Amino acid sequence: KAGVTQTPRYLIKTRGQQVTLSCSPISGHRSVSWYQQTPGQGLQFLFEYFSETQRNKGNFPGRFSGRQFSNSRSEMNVSTLELGDSALYLCASSLEVAGPQETQYFGPGTRLLVL
Amino acid sequence: LAKTTQPISMDSYEGQEVNITCSHNNIATNDYITWYQQFPSQGPRFIIQGYKTKVTNEVASLFIPADRKSSTLSLPRVSLSDTAVYYCLVGDRTSGTYKYIFGTGTRLKVLA
Repeated sequence: KAGVTQTPRYLIKTRGQQVTLSCSPISGHRSVSWYQQTPGQGLQFLFEYFSETQRNKGNFPGRFSGRQFSNSRSEMNVSTLELGDSALYLCASSLEVAGPQETQYFGPGTRLLVL
Repeated sequence: LAKTTQPISMDSYEGQEVNITCSHNNIATNDYITWYQQFPSQGPRFIIQGYKTKVTNEVASLFIPADRKSSTLSLPRVSLSDTAVYYCLVGDRTSGTYKYIFGTGTRLKVLA
């Protein structure tokens, strides 16, 4: 079974631009979560989508948004990019919505560099 | 808010057993503890998950005491390829919905 895939793997943008990242979950998985990873802040939860609905949201500004399609694929958008948005963006999928026994499986990430 | 605490780094030699402890004092009653391994520029990889006592799989063991306020990941006979960052993960539902909270991670360096 194929794992979680993310595209693109690397991206360079300039301040003020916007960016869209894509994530395809493991086949059969219905939940997709997004995380931002930086050396200073570690792994931080952005949001989770399940059945095309945002179920959970972390403490990020409204510039960070996402959506999920009927085939469970998800996209994340960051508008008006700032230098501090440079990070590894990770997508994780699980069978069901986040819960005590749900296991998340991560993709390889998209490395975003904002200049 | 759920919080986990781990040692920042550890060094070990090849062939030794490594134990990494995570403190999660306010873990919820029905919450599981999950451990991940991460190599540079890759996504975290699932290692093991448990609720109480001891869980073992082909790569690691997880020890959880009766009070569940901590857990210990045990890696038997580590090799150079086990050099990575290890994260414990618990959930948080203080906001009314369930969220995953990663710890700061433990950077394990295995020496020859």
